[in-house]
Amino acid sequence: GESVGLHLPTLSVQEGDNSIINCAYSNSASDYFIWYKQESGKGPQFIIDIRSNMDKRQGQRVTVLLNKTVKHLSLQIAATQPGDSAVYFCADSKSGQNFVFGPGTRLSVLP
Amino acid sequence: DGGITQSPKYLFRKEGQNVTLSCEQNLNHDAMYWYRQDPGQGLRLIYYSQIVNDFQKGDIAEGYSVSREKKESFPLTVTSAQKNPTAFYLCASIPGAGGPYNEQFFGPGTRLTVL
Repeated sequence: GESVGLHLPTLSVQEGDNSIINCAYSNSASDYFIWYKQESGKGPQFIIDIRSNMDKRQGQRVTVLLNKTVKHLSLQIAATQPGDSAVYFCADSKSGQNFVFGPGTRLSVLP
Repeated sequence: DGGITQSPKYLFRKEGQNVTLSCEQNLNHDAMYWYRQDPGQGLRLIYYSQIVNDFQKGDIAEGYSVSREKKESFPLTVTSAQKNPTAFYLCASIPGAGGPYNEQFFGPGTRLTVL
């Protein structure tokens, strides 16, 4: 079946560096995408979303890029901090219905 | 504070027992969802409800049951028929049942362990 996947299961970055977390999706009909952050033992927290009519969206220290041609999504975190250490999920959906979640990438920030 | 609450945070069950996980939201959201999370896997949809007194099976509904008697409550029962229930269970809700582009808000989760 169709699913959202991640290229890297773990990512380690130095504090202060930029982080890039990647995601591939397979449903060409998907038009709404979300990135979530999940800390250990907690529920996912919304980070940023993007609709398919956009290629880029920026938030506070985060940027999401969408490449519909290759069905690829990325999350960029600027000046990564220790508090950014968590598992990051991407999810895709058609019009906000029936989200498909990837397995997640664990981001570790090194001091 | 508005949000989604799940209880208990940790739950232990003996084999052959049914257990019920609570999910309550005071966000006035129409739709509610239950997901199961296992290590190394994405969230998998168990059941969802878009309106009161109506719910639909997700991808892995076998061994689970739900009810939606009130808008703010969507309890999940893990029955003895669920062969491998040990997992982290997440409840979520969205504002509109039919509206597009709504993010899902998640509760803090319940970790169920079968002894």
